Amino acid sequence: DQQVKQNSPSLSVQEGRISILNCDYTNSMFDYFLWYKKYPAEGPTFLISISSIKDKNEDGRFTVFLNKSAKHLSLHIVPSQPGDSAVYFCAASVQGAQKLVFGQGTRLTINP
Amino acid sequence: NAGVTQTPKFRVLKTGQSMTLLCAQDMNHEYMYWYRQDPGMGLRLIHYSVGEGTTAKGEVPDGYNVSRLKKQNFLLGLESAAPSQTSVYFCASSQGTEAFFGQGTRLTVV
Repeated sequence: DQQVKQNSPSLSVQEGRISILNCDYTNSMFDYFLWYKKYPAEGPTFLISISSIKDKNEDGRFTVFLNKSAKHLSLHIVPSQPGDSAVYFCAASVQGAQKLVFGQGTRLTINP
Repeated sequence: NAGVTQTPKFRVLKTGQSMTLLCAQDMNHEYMYWYRQDPGMGLRLIHYSVGEGTTAKGEVPDGYNVSRLKKQNFLLGLESAAPSQTSVYFCASSQGTEAFFGQGTRLTVV
């Protein structure tokens, strides 16, 4: 039972345009959501997070949106840069449970 | 500024062999985790620990054992390796909800 789903295995975007990565979850107990970025042969690195009390969080070029009623979150990257090419993982947790549940990942490719 | 360090980085095992993966963190984090990453499956939690001397099962614990004798170390053991355990293994540590990951161990079981 996949509690966190990223239905797009890959996404290709032109440099300078907006990249939108999507994530859906099924467990209504999740109240904290994170995005991680992963380059080949490296471990995932934390990118941005959002608590369920908010519906938006921004950090520079990265914005995460949370729609609790739809159990959906998205990561927007604007403008997209070649260095953004990586695999992006969505993760969710129930605060206090201290366990992160990850989605399958989306491979983002930024084309020059 | 090491963060989370995993040893070894690569390993090839024969079916039935045993091995231990070592994870060390220097951030004084309470929580530590072992994940495996397989194509199309994302990161799946194997075992985790909420403090020194504690361990708990995650999503895919079968075939693995763990120990957390010291706060900074979290060991993952495979007693009898199987080809299905071919994967990339990531250790992580956390003090809140943001987890910090090691660089990974690529394990191949032949």
